[in-house]
Amino acid sequence: AQSVTQLGSHVSVSEGALVLLRCNYSSSVPPYLFWYVQYPNQGLQLLLKYTSAATLVKGINGFEAEFKKSETSFHLTKPSAHMRDAAEYFCAVSDNQAGTALIFGKGTTLSVSS
Amino acid sequence: AAGVIQSPRHLIKEKRETATLKCYPIPRHDTVYWYQQGPGQDPQFLISFYEKMQSDKGSIPDRFSAQQFSDYHSELNMSSLELGDSALYFCASSLGREGNSDGYTFGSGTRLTVV
Repeated sequence: AQSVTQLGSHVSVSEGALVLLRCNYSSSVPPYLFWYVQYPNQGLQLLLKYTSAATLVKGINGFEAEFKKSETSFHLTKPSAHMRDAAEYFCAVSDNQAGTALIFGKGTTLSVSS
Repeated sequence: AAGVIQSPRHLIKEKRETATLKCYPIPRHDTVYWYQQGPGQDPQFLISFYEKMQSDKGSIPDRFSAQQFSDYHSELNMSSLELGDSALYFCASSLGREGNSDGYTFGSGTRLTVV
């Protein structure tokens, strides 16, 4: 079975500081990995995805993530936080089999202070 | 670009009533997934369909059923509603026959409130 673990349910940073949201995965097959962002009372927006191509993945809004097989990690980073980045972030895992569900982590709430 | 369309956006039902949620996937997508997200929770996978056949099953209660139709849209039927069913219900779609390589696209969700 596949799963992801997000370390830290709440991360607080200052505006302009580095953002690091941690995600470790468990999968018996080559995984597909995703980061989604959810703003209050809104849907899930895809930030970026890893589907076995380049291990460093760049996404929207200046975010990027690096797939590290040796560490089974897919941490999300952004060099400089902005107030508008405050949201809930979910890491998720699936594979390339048709119909395989996307399994989410528990989520990390990012707070950004001025 | 066309997105995943869910209807209705909001729904209020009384206990023991039934509800039907609809999901229209992105054109060309052949796989549909249903998720339930309670307040402050992560999305929980309920059920999925690939080419109109159930492909994966998660924590879907026996009171709920779903199907995917010939035009690939899907409906989630919920009966004997309980207060605990109040949640945001998301539908997602993907192109399963190409190994989900485009990823999963989510609709805006249906907020169900059971009173």
